[in-house]
Amino acid sequence: QSALTQPASVSGSPGQSITISCTGTSSDVGDYNYVSWYQQHPGKAPKLMIYDVSNRPSGVSNRFSGSKSGNTASLTISGLQAEDEADYYCSSYTSSSTLFGGGTKLTVL
Amino acid sequence: QVQLVQSGAEVKKPGSSVKVSCKASGGTFRNYAISWVRQAPGQGLEWMGGIIPIFGTANYAQKFQDRVTITADESTSTAYMELSSLRSEDTAVYYCARRKAGSGWYYWGQGTLVTVSS
Repeated sequence: QSALTQPASVSGSPGQSITISCTGTSSDVGDYNYVSWYQQHPGKAPKLMIYDVSNRPSGVSNRFSGSKSGNTASLTISGLQAEDEADYYCSSYTSSSTLFGGGTKLTVL
Repeated sequence: QVQLVQSGAEVKKPGSSVKVSCKASGGTFRNYAISWVRQAPGQGLEWMGGIIPIFGTANYAQKFQDRVTITADESTSTAYMELSSLRSEDTAVYYCARRKAGSGWYYWGQGTLVTVSS
């Protein structure tokens, strides 16, 4: 199975909103509402930001939101802050495994 | 609060095997899926496989099917990942991760660096 497709990089200025896409197939993203998103700062373990497409774990800012349409899931970060600069990964459950996207580097200008 | 503590860094020769442990504290060990995810230097996350301790049967990513073994010991609340026939491309940080609710991996170990070098 191939990895999910994410843009390599996105950028935005403080206060702006950005959206990161995650494209899969009808066998993964399109077939299950089990998409999650992770934030990873350099040298750190990933942190769960969104699970089951649009749910936020306790403690995660409501500036982070998730959605899905067909085979593409999206992570939106509103009111960009400097500390949001990190790598972001999407993930989807499939019938037999878990897939990750290739990751997106977010730069806050 | 659940905490996952992994074993320390390893340096291995090509062709050998490595076994990484992940000890869980807090919460109920047996009911929650644990996965192993690796990250090569400068690269993205890669799911290797996972196990639900109460069932004891692991499932693996196709890429690692013939080289990885994931087990769980309920008596010590510890999960293990053993990777055999190591090659230089297996040099990576290996993480264990556990679910809290829903499909996301909420709890993560601190990572274990495995270096494969002759």
